[in-house]
Amino acid sequence: KQEVTQIPAALSVPEGENLVLNCSFTDSAIYNLQWFRQDPGKGLTSLLLIQSSQREQTSGRLNASLDKSSGRSTLYIAASQPGDSATYLCAAYTDKLIFGTGTRLQVFP
Amino acid sequence: GAGVSQSPSNKVTEKGKDVELRCDPISGHTALYWYRQSLGQGLEFLIYFQGNSAPDKSGLPSDRFSAERTGGSVSTLTIQRTQQEDSAVYLCASTWTSGGAWEQFFGPGTRLTVL
Repeated sequence: KQEVTQIPAALSVPEGENLVLNCSFTDSAIYNLQWFRQDPGKGLTSLLLIQSSQREQTSGRLNASLDKSSGRSTLYIAASQPGDSATYLCAAYTDKLIFGTGTRLQVFP
Repeated sequence: GAGVSQSPSNKVTEKGKDVELRCDPISGHTALYWYRQSLGQGLEFLIYFQGNSAPDKSGLPSDRFSAERTGGSVSTLTIQRTQQEDSAVYLCASTWTSGGAWEQFFGPGTRLTVL
């Protein structure tokens, strides 16, 4: 049974810092891994999707990497801003998405 | 529409009543998923539909939960005889097809409160 874990559970940093959010999964037989952002009281916004054959994806200040063999993905946020404050969720896809419990990020000015 | 829509956005009901939650996926998406987000439980898969195939119901927590998808588009999640532990945000997502190549796009969710 696939289990997805995210570390840290919460993170509070000053504006401008570069951040690394970690995601690990127990079953490496995934088709893809997806990173989402969730703002309080809102749905999920897809940030990046990495196919199993890929090593990384980039979008603006975000970079996500995938190492299937070790069951790990990281989301790198460069030059963090207060608007980045949200909960970040990773999800591993086999035939459905299995979500981690999220990292709650707060970026203060 | 431009994205996945869900209705109602909020639902308050009394224990024991039945509720229906609706999801309108993105036009053309053949795969539709329901998830539940409970306080302290994270996001969990409930059920998914792919085209005309039999749905994968493996995540439904009890036989009080059921879902249907009419005409390959709109889906309704029904919870019968609601219990307080059913209180959660119910999220719907759609994608072009299952198989992992495509992003899942999520609706804003329905917040269900069972008193």
